[in-house]
Amino acid sequence: AQKVTQAQTEISVVEKEDVTLDCVYETRDTTYYLFWYKQPPSGELVFLIRRNSFDEQNEISGRYSWNFQKSTSSFNFTITASQVVDSAVYFCALRKGGSEKLVFGKGTKLTVNP
Amino acid sequence: NAGVTQTPKFQVLKTGQSMTLQCAQDMNHEYMSWYRQDPGMGLRLIHYSVGAGITDQGEVPNGYNVSRSTTEDFPLRLLSAAPSQTSVYFCASTRAGAYGYTFGSGTRLTVV
Repeated sequence: AQKVTQAQTEISVVEKEDVTLDCVYETRDTTYYLFWYKQPPSGELVFLIRRNSFDEQNEISGRYSWNFQKSTSSFNFTITASQVVDSAVYFCALRKGGSEKLVFGKGTKLTVNP
Repeated sequence: NAGVTQTPKFQVLKTGQSMTLQCAQDMNHEYMSWYRQDPGMGLRLIHYSVGAGITDQGEVPNGYNVSRSTTEDFPLRLLSAAPSQTSVYFCASTRAGAYGYTFGSGTRLTVV
């Protein structure tokens, strides 16, 4: 069975702080895909990144970076110099290779205060 | 290009009523899914479809029906609404392969 754990339920930071959102996953499959989605207060789900199990390279996109470590089954997300607009619920999700099912963590609510 | 369109955006039902949540996508995606989002629970899969005429149950299917007569549409039917079905419902689609889902804007359903 697959499982995604986001142990941080809520995080509150002050603007310009760096913040890391943790994601730990469980799967027995060798081929799988990991995702991060952002859900701002308006409610829509916004795709941020996809990473496959064979690519452990870290990725940086502007102020966002992702650290994928198979050895610890983690796919952590860091926001550098956080901004108020980063306030949202962030979901980590796992999809098994060849499967159409997406398994979500319970989400981390990030509040960035001015 | 509209993406994934869900209607209605808001709905209030009385216990025992039935209704259909509509979902349509214009991206020719094979896979479509319905999720429900409840506080502290993340998103849980209700039903999914891998193509027209093919559907299957997800994690929380009880009380819901689906059908997929066309590639574009994937309606979700509540047979007899219960207060436990109060939730935000998301429809999503993707294509075969290693892609992320595109989500609709959600339907906020309240059952009283």
